[in-house]
Amino acid sequence: EAQVTQNPRYLITVTGKKLTVTCSQNMNHEYMSWYRQDPGLGLRQIYYSMNVEVTDKGDVPEGYKVSRKEKRNFPLILESPSPNQTSLYFCASSFRPPYGYTFGSGTRLTVV
Amino acid sequence: AQSVTQLDSQVPVFEEAPVELRCNYSSSVSVYLFWYVQYPNQGLQLLLKYLSGSTLVKGINGFEAEFNKSQTSFHLRKPSVHISDTAEYFCAVSDPSGYALNFGKGTSLLVTP
Repeated sequence: EAQVTQNPRYLITVTGKKLTVTCSQNMNHEYMSWYRQDPGLGLRQIYYSMNVEVTDKGDVPEGYKVSRKEKRNFPLILESPSPNQTSLYFCASSFRPPYGYTFGSGTRLTVV
Repeated sequence: AQSVTQLDSQVPVFEEAPVELRCNYSSSVSVYLFWYVQYPNQGLQLLLKYLSGSTLVKGINGFEAEFNKSQTSFHLRKPSVHISDTAEYFCAVSDPSGYALNFGKGTSLLVTP
């Protein structure tokens, strides 16, 4: 089944403890992207990647890092999480933007 | 840069009534427009998209939207809603590259009997 898989689905962590949210797609898509969703703000793009080793900032990149060492994976790294990064995170991929994007099921992160 | 404004944060409607969810966009270049739906505790599902061609776009679950360039709008409509249409709806816009997909803040559609 073609899908975007995010792990973990739920995570509670403490301020300052580095964490990684993984995203993997099995569709051989070149484009991948991360979003965060907050009530009343909709989804905002954090980072995106056009291909392996090619990434660019979205609208809210502060406090996040990404890497794209292989086509299928696009992890989101929070090196020193803070409570304002408590959010619902979505990963998405596309074979050929903007013709279609596939979204993962989301990762709900709580930073205390 | 492209941006989207969803004009209603909440839309309550009775079952079998028609509904329109409003979306306006802002861009200095040609754009692509999308509507996504998010059911409770789920990810995003594409309802429909406008890339080019006919300005009336039909999507899944009986939804349709009309691209109006002069009004810079892309309103979503359904002639008769069901309880199961209760969800959050997001309008989104991208530039021709498709790399930067910008979402509106969402409209919560609540369908009651």
